[in-house]
Amino acid sequence: SQTIHQWPATLVQPVGSPLSLECTVEGTSNPNLYWYRQAAGRGLQLLFYSVGIGQISSEVPQNLSASRPQDRQFILSSKKLLLSDSGFYLCAGLSRSGANVLTFGAGSRLTVL
Amino acid sequence: RKEVEQDPGPFNVPEGATVAFNCTYSNSASQSFFWYRQDCRKEPKLLMSVYSSGNEDGRFTAQLNRASQYISLLIRDSKLSDSATYLCGSFSGTYKYIFGTGTRLKVLA
Repeated sequence: SQTIHQWPATLVQPVGSPLSLECTVEGTSNPNLYWYRQAAGRGLQLLFYSVGIGQISSEVPQNLSASRPQDRQFILSSKKLLLSDSGFYLCAGLSRSGANVLTFGAGSRLTVL
Repeated sequence: RKEVEQDPGPFNVPEGATVAFNCTYSNSASQSFFWYRQDCRKEPKLLMSVYSSGNEDGRFTAQLNRASQYISLLIRDSKLSDSATYLCGSFSGTYKYIFGTGTRLKVLA
């Protein structure tokens, strides 16, 4: 079974600073990978997903970007954070050999001040 | 209109009660449907997949109605430990995995 590692777990950043959240996958090859954001008390908003190295689909046009430099690595970035970027960011993986079930990382809680 | 919609609740029910959640989806090309459970400040975890014929796992029953484009989750004999947010998920052939806003359940002693 696959395991999703995500870091950092918590971070507090000033407005206008850059961001880099990293996600790695263990236990499977060529997974589909997803980044979600969950604002306080809200549902999961799909931000980006990737079906392979260098392939990124964007769902929400914002000041965020994603990259997939390796098969099991998925990075979420921003050059300049906004207050509205605060939230709980979750990376998830979908094994191609599985039954379309997502496995989530433990999440990264971002507070922008 | 959102692709997947749920009543956010909260649903406050006494222990032992039966509670049902519904979820509607707008993309008729959606292939698979799921219920995930999310505890406070934690990541979601799969509760159960939803099959067209309906499926049951202990106290939990899930149903899919493709004609009306909705999914349901029934919880019987609610326990305090069932208190959580229940997320409805939809997976499409374009690899998008979309969730509803989640329904909050609080089971009261």
